Amino acid sequence: QKEVEQNSGPLSVPEGAIASLNCTYSDRGSQSFFWYRQYSGKSPELIMFIYSNGDKEDGRFTAQLNKASQYVSLLIRDSQPSDSATYLCAVEPGSARQLTFGSGTQLTVLP
Amino acid sequence: EAGVAQSPRYKIIEKRQSVAFWCNPISGHATLYWYQQILGQGPKLLIQFQNNGVVDDSQLPKDRFSAERLKGVDSTLKIQPAKLEDSAVYLCASSLFPAEATNYGYTFGSGTRLTVV
Repeated sequence: QKEVEQNSGPLSVPEGAIASLNCTYSDRGSQSFFWYRQYSGKSPELIMFIYSNGDKEDGRFTAQLNKASQYVSLLIRDSQPSDSATYLCAVEPGSARQLTFGSGTQLTVLP
Repeated sequence: EAGVAQSPRYKIIEKRQSVAFWCNPISGHATLYWYQQILGQGPKLLIQFQNNGVVDDSQLPKDRFSAERLKGVDSTLKIQPAKLEDSAVYLCASSLFPAEATNYGYTFGSGTRLTVV
């Protein structure tokens, strides 16, 4: 069973701080990695995807991928209360065009 | 571009009853997915269609769940009979492959929240 592991949290950070969310995966053949944000009662919305080792930045968000360590992370700079949500890590295995999700990390940004 | 449409938004049924959910993907998206998301967990893939053929249904409880994709467009997911543990949000997603670089792959609908009592 291919697995994606996340710290369930909850993770609390003060407004303006950097929030760091982590994810590990078991399938070494995985090709692409996604971060979704899910507000309570809403469907997941894509924040970023990454498929090359290293960093990828988009505004206040930076995704980091280390395939050797099977590790992907999401940094949120200058965190805002509106960033309070559950963040889902998802992995696309090398063998299929589908997503396997972690259980999510609940983030609270305190004003 | 219209999103992935799902209905109903909410459904409450008694155990052992049957229920059906409907999904209309984004126009032109060949691949359609049904996910089950239990409260506090990440979405779990139930079934994946490519056009009107099943690609992966390895996690679909086939004794009670069934799904079809009519003419490679709309899809219906059915549960019969429902159990208490089926209470969850059922998410439909669609994707276009090969993906465009600026809009990678997977778009989710708003989901159907099922409560089995």
